[in-house]
Amino acid sequence: GAGVSQTPSNKVTEKGKYVELRCDPISGHTALYWYRQSLGQGPEFLIYFQGTGAADDSGLPNDRFFAVRPEGSVSTLKIQRTERGDSAVYLCASSYGLYTGELFFGEGSRLTVL
Amino acid sequence: KNEVEQSPQNLTAQEGEFITINCSYSVGISALHWLQQHPGGGIVSLFMLSSGKKKHGRLIATINIQEKHSSLHITASHPRDSAVYICAAVFTTWGGGADGLTFGKGTHLIIQP
Repeated sequence: GAGVSQTPSNKVTEKGKYVELRCDPISGHTALYWYRQSLGQGPEFLIYFQGTGAADDSGLPNDRFFAVRPEGSVSTLKIQRTERGDSAVYLCASSYGLYTGELFFGEGSRLTVL
Repeated sequence: KNEVEQSPQNLTAQEGEFITINCSYSVGISALHWLQQHPGGGIVSLFMLSSGKKKHGRLIATINIQEKHSSLHITASHPRDSAVYICAAVFTTWGGGADGLTFGKGTHLIIQP
């Protein structure tokens, strides 16, 4: 597609469940970033990939969060044993090079944990 | 510690006014992004700066590396400019690489007709 695509756009789940959020970056973009935005706050860095490898995962809040990008394109953010505090909009962005070009953001996946 | 501070946090102005939003950061950066987020909408990149000044339509972004400061200006503001404006800095590591993207908290701009 022409832009960064994120699915699902909305996800409501119960506490303790497992959730996967998907990001399909712009074709040819080697860098992919995941952020999280809570209501009224600026985005918070989670992890970024250069190609298939996680260049920096220091923003992942704990070991319940994991992200993969096995073929250097689509990425999946995985959250185990979800907690109410995980509720946020999860944003994905991509760029041609690692922070060397314009960032293109997806519309986000709004996660609500009941 | 990598920090990005924006001011003001909230700004309400009348249509036609000249708007300035400020961003300051703590240490050396390799680039600074200005982003726009409309209510309930996604984030759109406005500018990426490493030095000097850029202009796109009614938007102007400047950066002063020595002062660790950037500004976003909107000329002839319009109600459709109402949005959250976020600056985000790419801090450099000791090895010269990029140390991720650190976001400011955003400036909520409302332009009244």
